[in-house]
Amino acid sequence: AQSVTQLGSHVSVSEGALVLLRCNYSSSVPPYLFWYVQYPNQGLQLLLKYTSAATLVKGINGFEAEFKKSETSFHLTKPSAHMSDAAEYFCAVSDRNQFYFGTGTSLTVIP
Amino acid sequence: EADIYQTPRYLVIGTGKKITLECSQTMGHDKMYWYQQDPGMELHLIHYSYGVNSTEKGDLSSESTVSRIRTEHFPLTLESARPSHTSQYLCASTLRDRGGQETQYFGPGTRLLVL
Repeated sequence: AQSVTQLGSHVSVSEGALVLLRCNYSSSVPPYLFWYVQYPNQGLQLLLKYTSAATLVKGINGFEAEFKKSETSFHLTKPSAHMSDAAEYFCAVSDRNQFYFGTGTSLTVIP
Repeated sequence: EADIYQTPRYLVIGTGKKITLECSQTMGHDKMYWYQQDPGMELHLIHYSYGVNSTEKGDLSSESTVSRIRTEHFPLTLESARPSHTSQYLCASTLRDRGGQETQYFGPGTRLLVL
């Protein structure tokens, strides 16, 4: 079975600073990779997904993620944090159409 | 994208009551899922279905049951609610693209409080 590791359960950044949320997966074969965002009292909303077409994936709200096979990583970044980015972020892997989620990273944006 | 509806959004109920959480999607997706999530915590898969009359238990043991009589409808039932069932319940379905890749889309969730 796959496993997904999100380093840092809580990340704080200043407004306007770079956002970096880390995700590593375990797989000998490149899986399908996703990032979801969850706002309070809401479901998960798809931010972006890796489909093997390009290693750098652009998503909604200015987020992007880079697939690095050598590092088995799929870190999420945003150049400049906005207050509205404060939320819970989940990395997920799909392997043979089974989905595996990380434990989530809570992003706090400091004004 | 997928439109997934969950009702109720919030529910406060007493111990011992029977409750059904509704989930529906209008996209004709075959695969549907129920997750349990405590606030700010990870998701735990409790049930899934790959189509009509197909239901399976997930990784997390749950006292709930599900049914899948129609493609668009995947309700979750607790026969006798207990305070330990207090949680958020998320329904999801998957969309398969032309390349065969599946993407999960989620409903807004039902937040359940059992007193």
